[in-house]
Amino acid sequence: EDKVVQSPLSLVVHEGDTVTLNCSYEVTNFRSLLWYKQEKKAPTFLFMLTSSGIEKKSGRLSSILDKKELFSILNITATQTGDSAIYLCAVDQTGANNLFFGTGTRLTVIP
Amino acid sequence: NAGVTQTPKFQVLKTGQSMTLQCAQDMNHEYMSWYRQDPGMGLRLIHYSVGAGITDQGEVPNGYNVSRSTTEDFPLRLLSAAPSQTSVYFCASRRGGSGNTIYFGEGSWLTVV
Repeated sequence: EDKVVQSPLSLVVHEGDTVTLNCSYEVTNFRSLLWYKQEKKAPTFLFMLTSSGIEKKSGRLSSILDKKELFSILNITATQTGDSAIYLCAVDQTGANNLFFGTGTRLTVIP
Repeated sequence: NAGVTQTPKFQVLKTGQSMTLQCAQDMNHEYMSWYRQDPGMGLRLIHYSVGAGITDQGEVPNGYNVSRSTTEDFPLRLLSAAPSQTSVYFCASRRGGSGNTIYFGEGSWLTVV
């Protein structure tokens, strides 16, 4: 059975801290792994990862994929209160039309 | 650009009532889908469609019906609402096939009392 598991489920940090969010997966026909940030509304796209070991970076956020060990991490450095959100990991499968989502990690950044 | 438009944003229903969540996209995407999001459960696929006239069930289809008479519209119907259907619903669309960006609507918050 396909599954995507995120950890931790929730996390509370102080502004300025660095956080690492984890996503492991077991799916058939893996094509890519995607990270989304969800505040109060729809998820917004952060990264798409298709190759192992190549870091994607956007400002204070970065992510990397390990296709051998079947996991990805999302790093956020120098966290700000605006980073408070649910972070969703999803897997795109070749030949499938749907994304398979993990349960999400709720990040709360305290001033 | 409208993208994916969902209505209504908020709705309160009584148990047993029926209603339709509307979803429309103006990007000529073949693929559309409905997800529900519950605390600690991530997004779970309800129904999806790969084109006009074609629909299929996702992970949690019970209690919901869909139809796809046009490329643009993909309504989700609750025939007899139950408290277990209290959730946030997201419509999404993408150009056909994996590898293409998926676009989400803003969400519909549904409470069944």
